[in-house]
Amino acid sequence: EVQLVESGGGLVQPGNSLRLSCAASGFTFSSYNMNWVRQAPGKGLEWLSYISSSSSTIYYADSVKGRFTISRDNAKSALYLQMNSLKAEDTAVYYCARGYSSSSMDVWGQGTTVTVSS
Amino acid sequence: DIQMTQSPSSVSASIGDRVTITCRARQGISSWLAWYQQKPGKAPNLLIYAASSLQSGVPSRFSGSGSGTDFTLSISSLQPEDFATYYCQQANSFPFTFGPGTKVDIK
Repeated sequence: EVQLVESGGGLVQPGNSLRLSCAASGFTFSSYNMNWVRQAPGKGLEWLSYISSSSSTIYYADSVKGRFTISRDNAKSALYLQMNSLKAEDTAVYYCARGYSSSSMDVWGQGTTVTVSS
Repeated sequence: DIQMTQSPSSVSASIGDRVTITCRARQGISSWLAWYQQKPGKAPNLLIYAASSLQSGVPSRFSGSGSGTDFTLSISSLQPEDFATYYCQQANSFPFTFGPGTKVDIK
């Protein structure tokens, strides 16, 4: 079964850091581009970051540029999001999503919740 | 950044109704558009990619059309499991952007 499972969320104080992980299974992870998308409570979807299959191309949303870092380990079939200098407005459910045809996203994890609060 | 808008923001419909949702891009995006369905507490589910290609496993009552700046998602005969929020997403250029969503609920 094709699956993505996020982990690493939790409660963190403003200014602190958190590292999210996304474990992939059921497909050849190294062949796919990957994305991070988040959803604040009661809000819509916000794309955060993209990484190509070989890690050669990376993009970020302006809202996280300079604070968040996407990376992947193809040997471990894992995707990561290092989040630094967290703010209250980063509170959200964070999803990893597999890149698909025409840069859509066809497989999503169940999400991991990040709460930034003192 | 390419801003995406959707209309209506919500729609009340009955089982069997035809529902049409519109998505508009601030600038042309060719056919680089996807549609997702999201139910409360769940991850989004890809319905349509490349503006009009039906994702495998998605019922044929869902269809997408459009190119350039104007796109539509249609549900030909609304079923109970279709009550959800629908989002469009442009994939023409980074940063990818989503529309604000359209909530489809029961009349």
